[in-house]
Amino acid sequence: QKEVEQNSGPLSVPEGAIASLNCTYSDRGSQSFFWYRQYSGKSPELIMFIYSNGDKEDGRFTAQLNKASQYVSLLIRDSQPSDSATYLCAVIEEYGNKLVFGAGTILRVKS
Amino acid sequence: EPEVTQTPSHQVTQMGQEVILRCVPISNHLYFYWYRQILGQKVEFLVSFYNNEISEKSEIFDDQFSVERPDGSNFTLKIRSTKLEDSAMYFCASRLTGGYPETQYFGPGTRLLVL
Repeated sequence: QKEVEQNSGPLSVPEGAIASLNCTYSDRGSQSFFWYRQYSGKSPELIMFIYSNGDKEDGRFTAQLNKASQYVSLLIRDSQPSDSATYLCAVIEEYGNKLVFGAGTILRVKS
Repeated sequence: EPEVTQTPSHQVTQMGQEVILRCVPISNHLYFYWYRQILGQKVEFLVSFYNNEISEKSEIFDDQFSVERPDGSNFTLKIRSTKLEDSAMYFCASRLTGGYPETQYFGPGTRLLVL
């Protein structure tokens, strides 16, 4: 099985700052990329998905995809303490329909 | 807003016992999934289900596991003879179509503890 890699963190940012979360994937044919947020003991909650190279913005969140570099990132602007969670990058590989998850990055936003 | 529901939220069982985890996917969704997450580890795919049959399964999904859609709303995961290493959070997910968007929506999970 192909891999999805994330820095485990924790990534600590002050309230109001921009948090930058990164993810790389090994299956070059992957087509769909997702960011989920997971609070401790809870289920993954979809934040955003992205299919095309470039940026996609939704409120305070921006997903960035670079297929040539096999890299996807999530920017969180104006970070809030409530954003403190584990952020999971997930990929649907070419010819697949299952999500392949990274291990997640722990984000801590300090007030 | 429609959501995936799962029961029970917690299940404690003895090793070797059978457990059935239940899920009610979002009503007009067609694709159903089970994932699991062992404490401190990645979310792992177990099985996908479409048109009343398994469409893909992982190496984890061995003969001890089975899935069923017994009626028009429920989707179940059965573990026939539980092992200690089956202790994990089990998440059900559903998806509307086979095309884009491929977004999968997760239920709240069942925490299974095998003693």
